[in-house]
Amino acid sequence: DAKTTQPNSMESNEEEPVHLPCNHSTISGTDYIHWYRQLPSQGPEYVIHGLTSNVNNRMASLAIAEDRKSSTLILHRATLRDAAVYYCILYSGGGADGLTFGKGTHLIIQP
Amino acid sequence: EAQVTQNPRYLITVTGKKLTVTCSQNMNHEYMSWYRQDPGLGLRQIYYSMNVEVTDKGDVPEGYKVSRKEKRNFPLILESPSPNQTSLYFCATRGSYGTQYFGPGTRLTVL
Repeated sequence: DAKTTQPNSMESNEEEPVHLPCNHSTISGTDYIHWYRQLPSQGPEYVIHGLTSNVNNRMASLAIAEDRKSSTLILHRATLRDAAVYYCILYSGGGADGLTFGKGTHLIIQP
Repeated sequence: EAQVTQNPRYLITVTGKKLTVTCSQNMNHEYMSWYRQDPGLGLRQIYYSMNVEVTDKGDVPEGYKVSRKEKRNFPLILESPSPNQTSLYFCATRGSYGTQYFGPGTRLTVL
């Protein structure tokens, strides 16, 4: 499976934008880039996904590099409730495989 | 509201006493799976099901059983629990583009 690399932790201030990077240099042409987050004491929660183009939804934006070897999850205005572990995951589509979760990035939001 | 529910949310039991953790979804998804989450090891897939009566092993299936007699339910069975099965368990379904929806988790302690 293609792997992803994320920083172990990041810190940001409340009400400021947050850019969470992810490297996936071995991504294949059919891999979707998914982002999930896990708040303390909760199950992982889907955030956003994309294939080639940048994507926006009510939670976040996903910026995908032109060569698709990296991507950035953007939280436009962080709140304390955004403090969580964020996982960047590649999904090749269909089949039996579950998602392979790495260690993710622990995002700390300072008031 | 789209939901994955798990019961019980918390369980303390003793070695060898059979238990079942239930999982139910209302999204009509064909694919369901079970994960366990342990500190330092992340989320690991236990079993998955592609559809009714179709189940298969994930990465860490030893000591667990599952069944899928109807689409909405996917119970996890521990026939003879042991202390190394103390963990946080998540049920998940998979929708379009591989998006997974996780339940709230079941924290199991085996004494």
